[in-house]
Amino acid sequence: ETGVTQTPRHLVMGMTNKKSLKCEQHLGHNAMYWYKQSAKKPLELMFVYSLEERVENNSVPSRFSPECPNSSHLFLHLHTLQPEDSALYLCASSREGASLRGYTFGSGTRLTVV
Amino acid sequence: DQQVKQNSPSLSVQEGRISILNCDYTNSMFDYFLWYKKYPAEGPTFLISISSIKDKNEDGRFTVFLNKSAKHLSLHIVPSQPGDSAVYFCAASSSGAGSYQLTFGKGTKLSVIP
Repeated sequence: ETGVTQTPRHLVMGMTNKKSLKCEQHLGHNAMYWYKQSAKKPLELMFVYSLEERVENNSVPSRFSPECPNSSHLFLHLHTLQPEDSALYLCASSREGASLRGYTFGSGTRLTVV
Repeated sequence: DQQVKQNSPSLSVQEGRISILNCDYTNSMFDYFLWYKKYPAEGPTFLISISSIKDKNEDGRFTVFLNKSAKHLSLHIVPSQPGDSAVYFCAASSSGAGSYQLTFGKGTKLSVIP
């Protein structure tokens, strides 16, 4: 148990579907993150929320829509995705921003777009 | 342009010997450096970190060395154990208020042979 829980673990969706990824943490952390891991690429930061306010959006296409209703929950809403969006999507949280304590990651959602 | 580079995609080491994983960075603003370990089907877990004011940090079998002039860091694992077999990610960030970006390398897959 990492303290950051992601659901679902696996998701297969068609290009016209709408789905949501969920992330939950009860570590008392103030910041939450969405990362994308594609094959043979570094982890790419997508969004950052600090105290429920979005503080970073790294040029992510609008077909990805994050939502942070409270400091414990983070969602990633997906619609009209492309096959190249297939990847491992990782949620993370931290007590503050960048620090030597690092982030706590969830186990990820393996997304396949068909 | 990759700011954090791990040039060895894989490394094989005999059990009991030393594993040395290398990482180079280009951004001179980075002053926090972290190593993460990732098993298949799990999220990355924080392993060890170092700030730019130090050149070495040790935690049990794991030691991280930082050479600021060369913009290079390395992770030493001594002695290596089969359970250390995983993908190791190097990450870096700059400190300061409002800093949330943690930049990752592509990872090095370590295989420890019994």
